[in-house]
Amino acid sequence: DTGVSQNPRHKITKRGQNVTFRCDPISEHNRLYWYRQTLGQGPEFLTYFQNEAQLEKSRLLSDRFSAERPKGSFSTLEIQRTEQGDSAMYLCASSLAGGAGNQPQHFGDGTRLSIL
Amino acid sequence: AQSVTQLGSHVSVSEGALVLLRCNYSSSVPPYLFWYVQYPNQGLQLLLKYTTGATLVKGINGFEAEFKKSETSFHLTKPSAHMSDAAEYFCAVSDGSDYGGSQGNLIFGKGTKLSVKP
Repeated sequence: DTGVSQNPRHKITKRGQNVTFRCDPISEHNRLYWYRQTLGQGPEFLTYFQNEAQLEKSRLLSDRFSAERPKGSFSTLEIQRTEQGDSAMYLCASSLAGGAGNQPQHFGDGTRLSIL
Repeated sequence: AQSVTQLGSHVSVSEGALVLLRCNYSSSVPPYLFWYVQYPNQGLQLLLKYTTGATLVKGINGFEAEFKKSETSFHLTKPSAHMSDAAEYFCAVSDGSDYGGSQGNLIFGKGTKLSVKP
């Protein structure tokens, strides 16, 4: 178990640029979640995948946000035309399928995005 | 809709003192409840969880929490604080189901930052 890996750890970019983050889940986990955490707040659910299927995406913050998990392994989260308000920590978590009670989520260390 | 309220954004205790972090939840379905800890620039680590059964649950690092349905609370305690406990703590709720169709996503409180004084 090598844990959930997120890259990059930090991303600094200018407003208006596109950014992409990568998440590598624990290998046998078929569920993958993305959360956003802003300063002084708890993580906020964005979207999740079961294998390659994106089963919930209505919580994505705007149409500038999109996520993929093309082969049911790693996932990417893209933000287009970044805005100041996108500055946050983006967290990825993975688990086996099922409810949260029996299949706890394992979190990565996050990607911190700073918009200049 | 489910929600979590953590009372006190910052709690400070002396080393060796009791730690009490408060969490109240709102849920229209039987909840599953969780406490996570986050150290600076790191992800979240699961401390403990309540699903069903015994209402007093024990977790890692000497922490425990008690589910009180009548009070809709799930407060986190530790009898004796250690310097290494200084971190931010998050309470979370999920819908209380374990079937494959459950989303399983977590709804978090705003967090409580714990400081431990020597």
